[in-house]
Amino acid sequence: DQQVKQNSPSLSVQEGRISILNCDYTNSMFDYFLWYKKYPAEGPTFLISISSIKDKNEDGRFTVFLNKSAKHLSLHIVPSQPGDSAVYFCAASWGRIQGAQKLVFGQGTRLTINP
Amino acid sequence: DAGITQSPRHKVTETGTPVTLRCHQTENHRYMYWYRQDPGHGLRLIHYSYGVKDTDKGEVSDGYSVSRSKTEDFLLTLESATSSQTSVYFCAISTKNTQYFGPGTRLLVL
Repeated sequence: DQQVKQNSPSLSVQEGRISILNCDYTNSMFDYFLWYKKYPAEGPTFLISISSIKDKNEDGRFTVFLNKSAKHLSLHIVPSQPGDSAVYFCAASWGRIQGAQKLVFGQGTRLTINP
Repeated sequence: DAGITQSPRHKVTETGTPVTLRCHQTENHRYMYWYRQDPGHGLRLIHYSYGVKDTDKGEVSDGYSVSRSKTEDFLLTLESATSSQTSVYFCAISTKNTQYFGPGTRLLVL
């Protein structure tokens, strides 16, 4: 049962254009969502997050949009740069267990920025 | 950089042998986590810790055990490694609502 899904395994975008990565979820109890970026042979790096009480969060070139009614979130990168080429994971969590945050990840989308 | 190191970074072992992976953090974080990453699955939670000697199971805990005898170290043990445990293992710590990951350990079980 995949509670968080990234249906596009890969995405190719021209440098300078907008990259849009999508993520769908099934569990309406999720209250926090995060995006991570991962380069080969490295650990995931935190990019941006959003609480379920918001519908948009922006940090520089990165914006995350949350549509709770559709159970959908997206990450926009504008403008896209060659260094953005990586695998992107969305993740979600709900509540805390003994204070710990249990994340559920999507399968990842490989973004390639072409010059 | 959340001050997380993992050792070893690469390991090749044989089926049936015990394996222990170490996660070390330098910033006194209370919460620590072990995940595995496999193609088509993203990252999946194996075990987590909410304090010294306090641990609990995650989504894919079968075949794994953990220990945390001091704040800075969180150990993941495969009691008898199987080929299905070939994976990349990541340790993480959390602060508020965000988790930060170590560099990973690539494990191959032959």
